[in-house]
Amino acid sequence: EVQLVESGGGLVQPGRSLRLSCAASGFTFDDYAMHWVRQAPGKGLEWVSGISWNSGSIGYADSVKGRFTISRDNAKNSLYLQMNSLRAEDMALYYCAKGGRMYGSGSYLFTYWGQGTLVTVSS
Amino acid sequence: DIQMTQSPSTLSASVGDRVTITCRASQSISSWLAWYQQKPGKAPKLLIYKASSLESGVPSRFSGSGSGTEFTLTISSLQPDDFATYYCQQYNSPLFGGGTKVEIK
Repeated sequence: EVQLVESGGGLVQPGRSLRLSCAASGFTFDDYAMHWVRQAPGKGLEWVSGISWNSGSIGYADSVKGRFTISRDNAKNSLYLQMNSLRAEDMALYYCAKGGRMYGSGSYLFTYWGQGTLVTVSS
Repeated sequence: DIQMTQSPSTLSASVGDRVTITCRASQSISSWLAWYQQKPGKAPKLLIYKASSLESGVPSRFSGSGSGTEFTLTISSLQPDDFATYYCQQYNSPLFGGGTKVEIK
């Protein structure tokens, strides 16, 4: 059974940093691209960032480019999101999502999702 | 940039009703269209991909159709478990529609 468990969320002041983690199990982690998708309270879904199986291809939404960094550790079956210079508009539930075997055009299909970790940005 | 527009934003229906949700892309996305279901407090769940392919384990009352710029998600006979918010997504680039909340009438 595929399981994705996010952690690392919490309350943080504007301008500060936070690192999210996602522990994956139930599938061959290093065969798949992985993604972060967020959902602001009462709002819709927004893709944040994605990474190919070997970290060779990485993408970011314009809203987080230059502030967020995605990474993965295939030996630990883990995905990460380093979030710097956090803003009020970054406040959301952050989901880890399993992608396809490829990364790029036509492959942003999210087959499994974790339950999310909540990031609150407030002074 | 491609825009994804869902309609309606809210839909009131009764158990047993046939429900149709529409998703329009501002330019052709071929069949790179997925539908997700999200219940309150839960993560989204993939229902349909490639516009009309049913994800494994999804009940057959769900169906998808369309190609190019216009797509539909149909629930043939609405069940109590189906009251949720539904999102379309074009997965050529990761863009979601705004969502359609299906409420109890």
